[in-house]
Amino acid sequence: DQQVKQNSPSLSVQEGRISILNCDYTNSMFDYFLWYKKYPAEGPTFLISISSIKDKNEDGRFTVFLNKSAKHLSLHIVPSQPGDSAVYFCAASNAGGSQGNLIFGKGTKLSVKP
Amino acid sequence: KAGVTQTPRYLIKTRGQQVTLSCSPISGHRSVSWYQQTPGQGLQFLFEYFSETQRNKGNFPGRFSGRQFSNSRSEMNVSTLELGDSALYLCASSLRGQGSVEKLFFGSGTQLSVL
Repeated sequence: DQQVKQNSPSLSVQEGRISILNCDYTNSMFDYFLWYKKYPAEGPTFLISISSIKDKNEDGRFTVFLNKSAKHLSLHIVPSQPGDSAVYFCAASNAGGSQGNLIFGKGTKLSVKP
Repeated sequence: KAGVTQTPRYLIKTRGQQVTLSCSPISGHRSVSWYQQTPGQGLQFLFEYFSETQRNKGNFPGRFSGRQFSNSRSEMNVSTLELGDSALYLCASSLRGQGSVEKLFFGSGTQLSVL
């Protein structure tokens, strides 16, 4: 049973346009969410996070939006650059509980075309 | 500060064999987590160790085991290998104390191929 779902396996965007990556979760106990980026032959690297007490967090070109009622979060990349081409993983955790490990989605492969 | 180091990078084994993977966390990090990445399943949590104790465990069979040493280095063992165990095994470390979530720092992984 997938608790964190990334329903789009891939996304193709033109350079300079906005990339929107979506993530849905089923466990209402999740209260902390993170996005990781992964290049081939490398481990995932942390990108941005958001706590459930917020609905938006911004870091440069990257913004994460959280809609708790819909159990949905999204990552916006504006403007998209070819170097952003990677697999993006959404992850969630119940920070307040003992099960603090991260649960990851299956990932979305983003291709940014010049 | 050196990152998370995983050895070996690549490994080829045959069915029925066993394998041990090694992970050295970032200096000062006491939590080490292991994940399995396959093309169809994304990153699946195997287990987490903190101060030499397994703190959390995912839904993997008992053939998958691990341990952590006093210097926080960790090893993962898979016995009686199956073809389906072919995957990228990722280790991640963090400072994470109980009841907190901190971002994980991942190694480059060990690519295991079972023939």
